[in-house]
Amino acid sequence: KAGVTQTPRYLIKTRGQQVTLSCSPISGHRSVSWYQQTPGQGLQFLFEYFSETQRNKGNFPGRFSGRQFSNSRSEMNVSTLELGDSALYLCASSLQGGAGGYTFGSGTRLTVV
Amino acid sequence: GEDVEQSLFLSVREGDSSVINCTYTDSSSTYLYWYKQEPGAGLQLLTYIFSNMDMKQDQRLTVLLNKKDKHLSLRIADTQTGDSAIYFCAETPFGNEKLTFGTGTRLTIIP
Repeated sequence: KAGVTQTPRYLIKTRGQQVTLSCSPISGHRSVSWYQQTPGQGLQFLFEYFSETQRNKGNFPGRFSGRQFSNSRSEMNVSTLELGDSALYLCASSLQGGAGGYTFGSGTRLTVV
Repeated sequence: GEDVEQSLFLSVREGDSSVINCTYTDSSSTYLYWYKQEPGAGLQLLTYIFSNMDMKQDQRLTVLLNKKDKHLSLRIADTQTGDSAIYFCAETPFGNEKLTFGTGTRLTIIP
């Protein structure tokens, strides 16, 4: 079966712009989580969605937002981009959370210049 | 509180066993995971264990859990060059969907 698909793979944006990243989970998975990976801070949790509802949120400013659609696909949006937002953004999907594990996509590499 | 710690680097000779260690602090029932990340790639789930287990074996991988010390280890038998990667330990409390990751251990294989 297809894995978790993230688009685009690479993105270059200018400071002050906004960006939308997309994630298609494994078919049947209803939970989608987003993580930011940077060399300095490592892997940090952004938020998690289940059946179109945000269930959990990490410690990121309000510029970071997300949503989930009825087909479980998810998008995350970052407004007013800053240089420090440059990172690998990873999406993970799961069937039932802990017991099944989380399957990650290949990520979107965002560079803010 | 939540904190997951790992050593940053490990070098192992090809054919030897690699042991990657991790300590965690969450005291509630929890799932513990090992992920592998190769350059330019996402995270690959290797194995996971629930906190009521002591050990889990899957082919070349063995996970050991010491609940008293909150210590988790991943042993890779007969380490190969393809095992070169960064290995992340992660935990999530039961019923919570948030993964807390360690800093990652970069495994280097010496020919």
